[in-house]
Amino acid sequence: EAGVTQFPSHSVIEKGQTVTLRCDPISGHDNLYWYRRVMGKEIKFLLHFVKESKQDESGMPNNRFLAERTGGTYSTLKVQPAELEDSGVYFCASSLEPGRDTSTSLYNEQFFGPGTRLTVL
Amino acid sequence: RKEVEQDPGPFNVPEGATVAFNCTYSNSASQSFFWYRQDCRKEPKLLMSVYSSGNEDGRFTAQLNRASQYISLLIRDSKLSDSATYLCVVNGGGGADGLTFGKGTHLIIQP
Repeated sequence: EAGVTQFPSHSVIEKGQTVTLRCDPISGHDNLYWYRRVMGKEIKFLLHFVKESKQDESGMPNNRFLAERTGGTYSTLKVQPAELEDSGVYFCASSLEPGRDTSTSLYNEQFFGPGTRLTVL
Repeated sequence: RKEVEQDPGPFNVPEGATVAFNCTYSNSASQSFFWYRQDCRKEPKLLMSVYSSGNEDGRFTAQLNRASQYISLLIRDSKLSDSATYLCVVNGGGGADGLTFGKGTHLIIQP
């Protein structure tokens, strides 16, 4: 079974430009998450989709970031205009359910993609 | 105060030794706890969930102390392949849907 995929793996852009990152979750996973790791900092949650709906976008840094998941399959994260502080690694993750599996009480694991390394010059 | 705090290391440990990592979390309402492993320039991967009763998976043992808001990971008979960054992660507690990560502890197993 294919895992979470992300495109591109690397992106180098200049300040003020626009970049769009793509995430394809594991087939059948309704829940999709975006995270970001800025150099020297911990991985931080950005937002959570359930199918095509934004369930929680409390981690989005500002209105230069726009995430979409039309049709409830793949998701895009657009940064416009990019700033220097947006540089980092953007991870996408997917899971079957957002929290606990009520039948087993086990946490539904989030599977991470390989990330997109964004450099803003 | 950071939400999840870990000693960043690096921990340099000889092969075959036992090593322990700890972390503390600030949100007392947190509900789920995990250790993730991240290799250099790779994505985080779930190593194990952490339960209040403690749990073991082969050479790995995880413990949770809710009263002290403290999580630990013990690795016995360490292997060269255990070299990685170990991320302490919590979830839930009324906040955002996503996982809350520590910065990670870097482990280097030396031959």
